[in-house]
Amino acid sequence: DTAVSQTPKYLVTQMGNDKSIKCEQNLGHDTMYWYKQDSKKFLKIMFSYNNKELIINETVPNRFSPKSPDKAHLNLHINSLELGDSAVYFCASSEERGAKLFFGEGSRLTVL
Amino acid sequence: AQRVTQPEKLLSVFKGAPVELKCNYSYSGSPELFWYVQYSRQRLQLLLRHISRESIKGFTADLNKGETSFHLKKPFAQEEDSAMYYCALPVPSGGSYIPTFGRGTSLIVHP
Repeated sequence: DTAVSQTPKYLVTQMGNDKSIKCEQNLGHDTMYWYKQDSKKFLKIMFSYNNKELIINETVPNRFSPKSPDKAHLNLHINSLELGDSAVYFCASSEERGAKLFFGEGSRLTVL
Repeated sequence: AQRVTQPEKLLSVFKGAPVELKCNYSYSGSPELFWYVQYSRQRLQLLLRHISRESIKGFTADLNKGETSFHLKKPFAQEEDSAMYYCALPVPSGGSYIPTFGRGTSLIVHP
């Protein structure tokens, strides 16, 4: 009965590879987000979707591409991984824009 | 710029001591502020939001518009309060809102 779930929880990969992180929410929320938490624990918004439509796209390299096949899913694909991409990526959802956020457990990406 | 600022990176106290985690904001209009908590290796979860004016796990936070602050307080800290605390503010942007977080404050409660 997990509200927001992400897979995988851990991902270790080599520089230059392409990887994806999946996120699903069963709360019926319209809005979903991707955040990046770096080694200093800063939380930075990357993307936000509302009902499958991209509404927020912060200054994130083009190598990052979000995809929302339906309003319950928001996946993150990363091309040509770099060392600086190592971080914990959190998916979140909210009932409406600006409301309380429900977070997933995070996906810890390590790029070697 | 509209943002939240958490001036302390780390706060270290002993069990039973009072705790105050600082959050200041810059916002034109009536802000809606949140406190989130992240226990070790866990997901972030909502602790408090100012409109609900409730006390969760003994924590309270009052919006002070004069000082543009939303400090989180607890009179007697417990070891299980050790965690990362984030103040957050939805910032309007192009017809939507960006939930924006402060840098976070790591609270360590010693036995």
